Amino acid sequence: GESVGLHLPTLSVQEGDNSIINCAYSNSASDYFIWYKQESGKGPQFIIDIRSNMDKRQGQRVTVLLNKTVKHLSLQIAATQPGDSAVYFCAENMWGSSNTGKLIFGQGTTLQVKP
Amino acid sequence: GAGVSQTPSNKVTEKGKYVELRCDPISGHTALYWYRQSLGQGPEFLIYFQGTGAADDSGLPNDRFFAVRPEGSVSTLKIQRTERGDSAVYLCASSSGGVQETQYFGPGTRLLVL
Repeated sequence: GESVGLHLPTLSVQEGDNSIINCAYSNSASDYFIWYKQESGKGPQFIIDIRSNMDKRQGQRVTVLLNKTVKHLSLQIAATQPGDSAVYFCAENMWGSSNTGKLIFGQGTTLQVKP
Repeated sequence: GAGVSQTPSNKVTEKGKYVELRCDPISGHTALYWYRQSLGQGPEFLIYFQGTGAADDSGLPNDRFFAVRPEGSVSTLKIQRTERGDSAVYLCASSSGGVQETQYFGPGTRLLVL
């Protein structure tokens, strides 16, 4: 069935190191993927997205990689800062086959940045 | 500009009561979404509006849940005969409405059913 999952529930990194958060998705019909950051008590905040016709996209200090062969998505954060501490969710959408904007979210990975 | 706003920010009610949760999307956004997030979980889709109409309501858990968007802007999520299991954060998001457009989320309404 439809599912988006994350490999690790918690990731702890040292300030200044790079972080890699992974996500596995199961629906090969998904054609749009998004990473959100959620701080305690707040709504999800958009970080970066990628469409299925791409395998890499870069933003400010963040890179998303998409491997459709193994249905894997990752978020790389360069020079991790204390302000990056939050829960990170990947989400998928199947616009092409379902004509709906509904997002399917994974359970989330908690990123803890140690000073 | 202003983001998505939701009111109230917190709502405590008793089992069996009726509640309404409001969402004000980003101005000009034609698409509006409701999600529900339980503690420690990712958001779960409830319903998607394109303009005034519900384009996808496949996520509504049962007929106690209903949502409207009469003028294509503000939306209200209505829950009848609330149950303790309805306790969650209810999130609203909006987008400009095109295919694969970014969904921007509001801060959510924290609903607690006693």
